[in-house]
Amino acid sequence: AQSVAQPEDQVNVAEGNPLTVKCTYSVSGNPYLFWYVQYPNRGLQFLLKYITGDNLVKGSYGFEAEFNKSQTSFHLKKPSALVSDSALYFCAVSGSGTYKYIFGTGTRLKVLA
Amino acid sequence: DSGVTQTPKHLITATGQRVTLRCSPRSGDLSVYWYQQSLDQGLQFLIQYYNGEERAKGNILERFSAQQFPDLHSELNLSSLELGDSALYFCASSAPQGSVWETQYFGPGTRLLVL
Repeated sequence: AQSVAQPEDQVNVAEGNPLTVKCTYSVSGNPYLFWYVQYPNRGLQFLLKYITGDNLVKGSYGFEAEFNKSQTSFHLKKPSALVSDSALYFCAVSGSGTYKYIFGTGTRLKVLA
Repeated sequence: DSGVTQTPKHLITATGQRVTLRCSPRSGDLSVYWYQQSLDQGLQFLIQYYNGEERAKGNILERFSAQQFPDLHSELNLSSLELGDSALYFCASSAPQGSVWETQYFGPGTRLLVL
């Protein structure tokens, strides 16, 4: 069965510091991994995805994520956080042979000025 | 703006009632997905339609049903509403192939409050 875990409910980071939002997954077959961001009172916006190929994926707004097959992880990173990055971040997984998307519980990122 | 529209934005109703939520996908997208977002259960996948046909089912209650019409808009029907159905309901659409690796584009959501 597919599952995805975001172990941290909230991550606090100072502006200008690097940030990491963690995600681990379990899926049979090849994983397709996604990160979405949700700002208050808005729908989810796509940030980046891993389908195949290079393990380091670059996305919108300076975010990137690294696919690690041995650790079944897909952590979201940014070298220098901005206050405007403060939002709710969701990791999602799907897999070959299924049409179902599973979203994590979300991690609230708070960037402090 | 994702190009996905949802109506209404807000809905307040009473227990036992029935409501219909509407979603129009991005132009050209054939797949529509419905999600429920509540405080205690996060974002739950409900159901996916592709070009009018049901393709995948998630944690959708029997009191809930959906359909996708020939013009590709979709409706989510919620009946015999309970207090616990209060949530934000999102619709998303994806590119024509409807494959599992395609990006989903989310609408702004419908906030349902059951009193």
